[in-house]
Amino acid sequence: DAGVIQSPRHEVTEMGQEVTLRCKPISGHNSLFWYRQTMMRGLELLIYFNNNVPIDDSGMPEDRFSAKMPNASFSTLKIQPSEPRDSAVYFCASSLSGWDREDEKLFFGSGTQLSVL
Amino acid sequence: SQKIEQNSEALNIQEGKTATLTCNYTNYSPAYLQWYRQDPGRGPVFLLLIRENEKEKRKERLKVTFDTTLKQSLFHITASQPADSATYLCALVPFYGQNFVFGPGTRLSVLP
Repeated sequence: DAGVIQSPRHEVTEMGQEVTLRCKPISGHNSLFWYRQTMMRGLELLIYFNNNVPIDDSGMPEDRFSAKMPNASFSTLKIQPSEPRDSAVYFCASSLSGWDREDEKLFFGSGTQLSVL
Repeated sequence: SQKIEQNSEALNIQEGKTATLTCNYTNYSPAYLQWYRQDPGRGPVFLLLIRENEKEKRKERLKVTFDTTLKQSLFHITASQPADSATYLCALVPFYGQNFVFGPGTRLSVLP
């Protein structure tokens, strides 16, 4: 298995531009998570989906952020308009959620390093 | 509010010694506690999970303890090697939902 695949690996953009981050979870996993990591705040959960349905988006900073999961094999995180304070590493993770909660270990992608100038 | 602390930002130890990392939490009652390893430029990788009713779990050179009274987990790496150098994160897993909450991490350096 290729693991969780994220693209792009690096993104440099100017303030005000739209940014779209992409994620392909591990096949067969039914939960998908978007996290943001910064030195100041560590790893923060932004939103997670279960069976393609958004379950908790309370971590999404503000209306400029939106996430979608149109099918079981693809998700996007969009920032519009982007601001310098959005600069961070964005991780996508997936897991298999079921009766046995011990299966709910997170498998992370390699992340997208976002720099907003 | 919920708070998770990990003993120190960085920990240096000599090769062959046992590394002990601490995860403390407040205002939280997790069902599980997980430990992850993160290397520079990579995403975290799952290492071990321990349930709230388990005291200790082992996997090869790794040992995790969980004390729900103290609200603390200890993560031990015995016979440490330079290849163990990485950042280690603890994560709290709730009874309901999947809002995994991560600690800030401890950067471990094992010196040859």
